[in-house]
Amino acid sequence: DGGITQSPKYLFRKEGQNVTLSCEQNLNHDAMYWYRQDPGQGLRLIYYSQIVNDFQKGDIAEGYSVSREKKESFPLTVTSAQKNPTAFYLCASSILGVGGNQPQHFGDGTRLSIL
Amino acid sequence: AQSVTQLGSHVSVSEGALVLLRCNYSSSVPPYLFWYVQYPNQGLQLLLKYTTGATLVKGINGFEAEFKKSETSFHLTKPSAHMSDAAEYFCAVSGDMDSNYQLIWGAGTKLIIKP
Repeated sequence: DGGITQSPKYLFRKEGQNVTLSCEQNLNHDAMYWYRQDPGQGLRLIYYSQIVNDFQKGDIAEGYSVSREKKESFPLTVTSAQKNPTAFYLCASSILGVGGNQPQHFGDGTRLSIL
Repeated sequence: AQSVTQLGSHVSVSEGALVLLRCNYSSSVPPYLFWYVQYPNQGLQLLLKYTTGATLVKGINGFEAEFKKSETSFHLTKPSAHMSDAAEYFCAVSGDMDSNYQLIWGAGTKLIIKP
């Protein structure tokens, strides 16, 4: 079955620690995205990538970093510079369409908490 | 700039009653519009999308939405609510070229079904 796999489902971060969230897709999609979700808010875009070895900052990139070395994989690192990392993180992928006409497909998310 | 407004952070309906979730958008370009559903601690699942063509769009689980350009609306409806419809619903619109066509998300509406 094609889909997006995020791991781990739950993650705890200690003060001053970097943590990495995994996102893998087998849908052969070119574009991948990372969102942050906080209660009562919509999704906020952290980073996105439309091609291997290239990515762009979204609306809230500060304190986060990404890499896109393979088409299937788009890991997100939450660095110690992110002072409020507690949130639900969602990874998505899509076909590259015209003018944003392609829907995004989502993983089941990783919930990150501070110890 | 594009924006999405979902009226009502919580909507409560009785089982068997009509479901109406409101979404209004602003866009400087012809929009592509999406509705997603999210169950607790899960990712988002596409319900339906409007790209071009027929303005009444049918989706999964008996939901439909109508694109009304004059009202800049894309409200989601279902004739008869089921207990399994209890979830959070998100409306999204495609951004413009300046944002590289990234999706703009509403804040979400939690649908509560009363037995």
